[in-house]
Amino acid sequence: NAGVMQNPRHLVRRRGQEARLRCSPMKGHSHVYWYRQLPEEGLKFMVYLQKENIIDESGMPKERFSAEFPKEGPSILRIQQVVRGDSAAYFCASSPSRTVGGEKLFFGSGTQLSVL
Amino acid sequence: SQELEQSPQSLIVQEGKNLTINCTSSKTLYGLYWYKQKYGEGLIFLMMLQKGGEEKSHEKITAKLDEKKQQSSLHITASQPSHAGIYLCGADTGAGGGADGLTFGKGTHLIIQP
Repeated sequence: NAGVMQNPRHLVRRRGQEARLRCSPMKGHSHVYWYRQLPEEGLKFMVYLQKENIIDESGMPKERFSAEFPKEGPSILRIQQVVRGDSAAYFCASSPSRTVGGEKLFFGSGTQLSVL
Repeated sequence: SQELEQSPQSLIVQEGKNLTINCTSSKTLYGLYWYKQKYGEGLIFLMMLQKGGEEKSHEKITAKLDEKKQQSSLHITASQPSHAGIYLCGADTGAGGGADGLTFGKGTHLIIQP
C-alpha cells in the first residue's frame, strides 16, 4: 500500500512561471491537506480538500494560489506567476476521514520549490 | 490564533546521552502531536497526547502533556544516530474544525554526535 505520493520532489521555476504540485493520497483516503514549510519557519496549513470540494482554504494566499482535488486523479496545488518568496517545501497529507486526531494524517515527502 | 513555541531550536547531543525537547502553547491544548521529519522528507507521526498528565512511550522516546501549563515535553533516552532529525509538535485548535486546524511549531533540529 503506497503512501502519500508527491511529485515532483524538486521543482525549479523562474519568476513569473507557473508551478504545479501534485499529490496522490493514500489508497482509500479522500481528504487532502496542503502545508507549506518556509525556511526558518514552521509548517503552515494552507488548504484542506475533499474530493471535488475545498473545505478550508484559510491558510492559502488569496492571489496566485489555487488547489483542486478532482474526482479522478491527484490533488493539484497551483501557483501562478511565482515569486522568490514562494520558494519553500510544500507538503501534502491525507487521511481517510475528517479527523481531529493528527495520527490519522499521513504525510508525503514534499515538493521543494525553488524560484530563480 | 494558536502558536506553538519549541525549545531549543537546535540541539547537539553526544550519542548515548538523554535529551528533552519542549513545546509550549499560547492556548489550551486539546491535542498535542509529535512528529519527526528527516531532512528532505515528510513527517512521521510519533505520538499523540490528549489528556492532562498523559504520558506515552515508544521505544526510547517518551512524551508528556502538562495540560495546565499548556506544555508538552519529548524525552529521548540513550540517544542514537537514528534519532537525528527535526522534531515538530503540532496542536489541535479544538475548534471542531478537524485536522485542518493543526498548528505546528517551528521544530527542533536534533544532531547526534558519535
